[in-house]
Amino acid sequence: SYELTQPPSVSVPPGQTARITCSGATLPKKYACWYRQKSGQAPVLVIFEDSKRPSGIPERFSGSSSGTMATLTISGAQVEDEGDYYCYSTDSSGNHRVFGGGTRLTVL
Amino acid sequence: EVQLVESGGGLVKPGGSLRLSCAASGFTFSSYSMNWVRQAPGKGLEWVSSISSSGTYIYYADSVKGRFTISRDNAKNSLFLQMNSLRAEDTAVYSCAKDTVMAPYYFDSWGQGALVTVSS
Repeated sequence: SYELTQPPSVSVPPGQTARITCSGATLPKKYACWYRQKSGQAPVLVIFEDSKRPSGIPERFSGSSSGTMATLTISGAQVEDEGDYYCYSTDSSGNHRVFGGGTRLTVL
Repeated sequence: EVQLVESGGGLVKPGGSLRLSCAASGFTFSSYSMNWVRQAPGKGLEWVSSISSSGTYIYYADSVKGRFTISRDNAKNSLFLQMNSLRAEDTAVYSCAKDTVMAPYYFDSWGQGALVTVSS
């Protein structure tokens, strides 16, 4: 089955740039999305189609994708950005969805 | 406002069955593909199954194929997940999630989830 690989954790001081990576074999041909989940809450979409930001998501969130790696960048991370971040994409057929294992972001 | 409300969770013994429901409102349910996503305690998100707007196309994760059945009733704005031959590793919060209206598909709305516990 298809997999997306993320680092388990990322930690940055407040105001610094946080980067979370996601690697997967079909990312050159399939879009990646990013979701943030805080404890006990439903996931929130923060980036879709590799680099687009939904309305209401701060400009400090950006996304990019190159080759087999997608990257979520939070420029000037804030304490409120802490949470678990999941990348999402599909297999080559587009019919099977997949999440990365998740990355816990700590801002302190 | 899109609302997705799951029900039907609970405690079931290994090998048992359970049927989850998801009541949808705030959008034209029959126009969207729908999904089930689960999250085991302390673990990450796992896609379980998808069903197209008309119910024609259905897909399952390998981990549940042959045991779970997704269905929908567009007249009642409802999504279902019939879970048979349940295992301890199926213990999770199960959430329904709405797809975007067109490809590339991703989840743009989620319910709060229903807890399914498989234990003797």
